[in-house]
Amino acid sequence: RKEVEQDPGPFNVPEGATVAFNCTYSNSASQSFFWYRQDCRKEPKLLMSVYSSGNEDGRFTAQLNRASQYISLLIRDSKLSDSATYLCVVNLAGQGNLIFGKGTKLSVKP
Amino acid sequence: NAGVTQTPKFRILKIGQSMTLQCAQDMNHNYMYWYRQDPGMGLKLIYYSVGAGITDKGEVPNGYNVSRSTTEDFPLRLELAAPSQTSVYFCASSLPPPGPNQPQHFGDGTRLSIL
Repeated sequence: RKEVEQDPGPFNVPEGATVAFNCTYSNSASQSFFWYRQDCRKEPKLLMSVYSSGNEDGRFTAQLNRASQYISLLIRDSKLSDSATYLCVVNLAGQGNLIFGKGTKLSVKP
Repeated sequence: NAGVTQTPKFRILKIGQSMTLQCAQDMNHNYMYWYRQDPGMGLKLIYYSVGAGITDKGEVPNGYNVSRSTTEDFPLRLELAAPSQTSVYFCASSLPPPGPNQPQHFGDGTRLSIL
C-alpha cells in the first residue's frame, strides 16, 4: 500500500462547481498534514495546512480524520484559476521529510 | 525575497557526464531537501539535511551525492548521468521539523535531460 494515496483524477468541472479531493495515508504515526498546489511546470506551493478540527480558508476547506487516516479538500465555487494539481502531503512525527501523494489534477472549464 | 534559489533552470547532459545542481536559501532554515519529480508522478525524496554537516538518504538516493557545508547551500551532485535521471529536480527548505506552521518552501526547479 502506498504511503499517501489520492484520487487518480483528472477532475474536469465547470466554473462555480464544488469539488472534493480525498486522500488516505498508511502510517498512523503521521503528524502533520498539508495540501500543496502545483501549477503545470511549476514548483509545489503550500495551499493550506490541515488541522485535526478542520480548517477553512476562503473557498477551501480541509478536513482530517485520524481514525480513518483520511484527509479531504473541498473547493467551493471553483474558478478557472483553481486549475492545477493538488498534492496531499504528510509528515511523520519527529521526521523532517514530507511524503507526497501523486496529486490529483483539476481542470476548471468556463 | 529570494527564498530558495536553484540553478541552473534547465540543463541537457550527455550520458556519463557529471554536474552539480545548486540550491541556496536565505531564510536561515536548518532543514533542506532534494526531490525529483518524473512526469505525472509525485515528488520523491533524494536526500535531505537537518543542518550543516548532516545529510541523510531519502527514498531514491542512488546515483546522487550531497553535501551541506553551510546552512545556506545544499548542492546535489550527479556523478555519472544516466537517462533514468531525466527529471525535474526541486530543492526545498523548512524550519525544523515541518509542522502546521512550518511548511516546506520550494525552489523553481531544475529541468534536467540526459541524452
